[in-house]
Amino acid sequence: KNEVEQSPQNLTAQEGEFITINCSYSVGISALHWLQQHPGGGIVSLFMLSSGKKKHGRLIATINIQEKHSSLHITASHPRDSAVYICAVGNGGSNYKLTFGKGTLLTVNP
Amino acid sequence: SQTIHQWPATLVQPVGSPLSLECTVEGTSNPNLYWYRQAAGRGLQLLFYSVGIGQISSEVPQNLSASRPQDRQFILSSKKLLLSDSGFYLCAGARDRGREQYFGPGTRLTVT
Repeated sequence: KNEVEQSPQNLTAQEGEFITINCSYSVGISALHWLQQHPGGGIVSLFMLSSGKKKHGRLIATINIQEKHSSLHITASHPRDSAVYICAVGNGGSNYKLTFGKGTLLTVNP
Repeated sequence: SQTIHQWPATLVQPVGSPLSLECTVEGTSNPNLYWYRQAAGRGLQLLFYSVGIGQISSEVPQNLSASRPQDRQFILSSKKLLLSDSGFYLCAGARDRGREQYFGPGTRLTVT
């Protein structure tokens, strides 16, 4: 079974700061997902990647398959970025399933 | 685009009472469907997944069951709730057997 570790568990930043959240996993995967969970509980998929780097607005996700490690970066952070960020790794073909990290609670202060 | 509907948003039930949570999918056909639970202070845990009508796989032994009576309907049930069943329940779907999952708004269940 894949173990997914995220760090840090909690992160507080000032508006405008560059933020990095890390994710490590123990077993080879098909893809890695970064999710965002807002205070109300709803979850939104931010990225799905299996190699290299993806960028969407101020968010950047990278993955190093050999190192079994991924990072999520937020540039020019804003209070509206405050949320729980969850790393999940997926395996399987038609029975594709995710294993989740415990999440990183990000608070961005104005 | 794919939309996942769940209801109710919150639910308070006494120990020993039955449970039925419904999830429906809009915007795709033949999706993979998933039920997850998020207990307080813990990560998301996969409870059940389904690749088609009547096909249910259980990931963890527990007090819950799932059914998929129609292609776009996924139901989570219990005959008798336990205190440990409290948590945030999320339904998700992946269209065309893809990897990207779309999540419903969730149901917060408190068993008292």
